[in-house]
Amino acid sequence: GEDVEQSLFLSVREGDSSVINCTYTDSSSTYLYWYKQEPGAGLQLLTYIFSNMDMKQDQRLTVLLNKKDKHLSLRIADTQTGDSAIYFCAESTGSSASKIIFGSGTRLSIRP
Amino acid sequence: KAGVTQTPRYLIKTRGQQVTLSCSPISGHRSVSWYQQTPGQGLQFLFEYFSETQRNKGNFPGRFSGRQFSNSRSEMNVSTLELGDSALYLCASSSGTDPYEQYFGPGTRLTVT
Repeated sequence: GEDVEQSLFLSVREGDSSVINCTYTDSSSTYLYWYKQEPGAGLQLLTYIFSNMDMKQDQRLTVLLNKKDKHLSLRIADTQTGDSAIYFCAESTGSSASKIIFGSGTRLSIRP
Repeated sequence: KAGVTQTPRYLIKTRGQQVTLSCSPISGHRSVSWYQQTPGQGLQFLFEYFSETQRNKGNFPGRFSGRQFSNSRSEMNVSTLELGDSALYLCASSSGTDPYEQYFGPGTRLTVT
């Protein structure tokens, strides 16, 4: 079946690194995504990783994929107050990989 | 390039009524996906349309339906509204090909009383 799980909350001190974790169940997923949702706003695509990759880095963001354990993580370096948001992990599935299943989201809060 | 637009932004309906929501994708995008977001269930996939054809669907009852027009604009219809249909309905636009980078609209907030 299709299921994506994330922890609900994460609190990090400003300037530290944040690591948001996600597990998924569909081994046929072709792409895995990270989205950000700020209060009152729609979702914004942050980054994605193809399932045959182990790691992808994009400025302050690092995505790690462990396909054997079906585990995905997003690391945000030097976390800033503007990073406060809900972060969603998502996997592509379905006959044409265009069916995107989202996790429940992790609310990241930043401590001064 | 203009972003994804959704109309209306807010809607209040009563149980038993029906509602139609509209989504205009980014110019050139042929795929529109619809999602329901609620505090209890999170973000749930409703369906995806590509070139006027439904290509994928989630696990929602037949009261939820959609269509896509030749200009890629999409509408979603919910008939016989229930209180549990109160949610933020989001549409997402993409080219429709890998890697399915989706661009979301601001959503339509539907309240059923």
